[in-house]
Amino acid sequence: QSVLTQPPSVSGTPGQRVTISCSGSRSNIGSNFVYWYQQFPGTAPKLLIYTNNQRPSGVPDRFSGSKSGASGYLAISGLRSDDEADYYCAAWDDSLRGPVFGGGTKLTVL
Amino acid sequence: EVQLVESGGGLVQPGGSLRLSCEVSGFTFSSYWMHWVRQVPGKGLVWVSRINNDGTSTGTADSVKGRFTISRDNAKNTLYLQMNSLRPEDTAVYYCARVGATGPLWDYWGHGTQVTVSS
Repeated sequence: QSVLTQPPSVSGTPGQRVTISCSGSRSNIGSNFVYWYQQFPGTAPKLLIYTNNQRPSGVPDRFSGSKSGASGYLAISGLRSDDEADYYCAAWDDSLRGPVFGGGTKLTVL
Repeated sequence: EVQLVESGGGLVQPGGSLRLSCEVSGFTFSSYWMHWVRQVPGKGLVWVSRINNDGTSTGTADSVKGRFTISRDNAKNTLYLQMNSLRPEDTAVYYCARVGATGPLWDYWGHGTQVTVSS
């Protein structure tokens, strides 16, 4: 049981926009930054979004992040087949005194 | 180029021990906090432990507290995870990850090392 709640799966067609939600609480997302990671099968997670809405260099601007209250959101526009991956949200949790993750969302491009 | 390379994983019997290493290059290791995160194949990510840049402060998840110890050798650019009293539920891929300027969470991850606890 993950501390942060994500939908297990989302899907979209090429060119479409999809949004992945990440629901937390006051002790994590409500008072700390949200991060998003992309993971392909058999590989390490890759940083996609940091501090709620910042993209590292090299990450396309098709990926965007936002936060509202105790929830974070990852939006992917102009969906491409190579966006098919698992996406994880993460945040520091003040009560647990450590980072917590969402259970991951599998993105399927139809 | 930032690189993190884990090693030391393998098959161990329940109750046994392993020490994982994470050798880094491409950045000044002694300036960065580091973490271990694990993942059961096909499942989600779970935080294990963290250490500050000079090794004077650590934190560990309750699930492994008292059994796992994180440490580092800045002279050798290496992070460690000593795992004792291993249980089948510790079976996972273990990743080391760096907290960069984008912190407080991670910007770079290693490729992972598989730990299997089974008789």
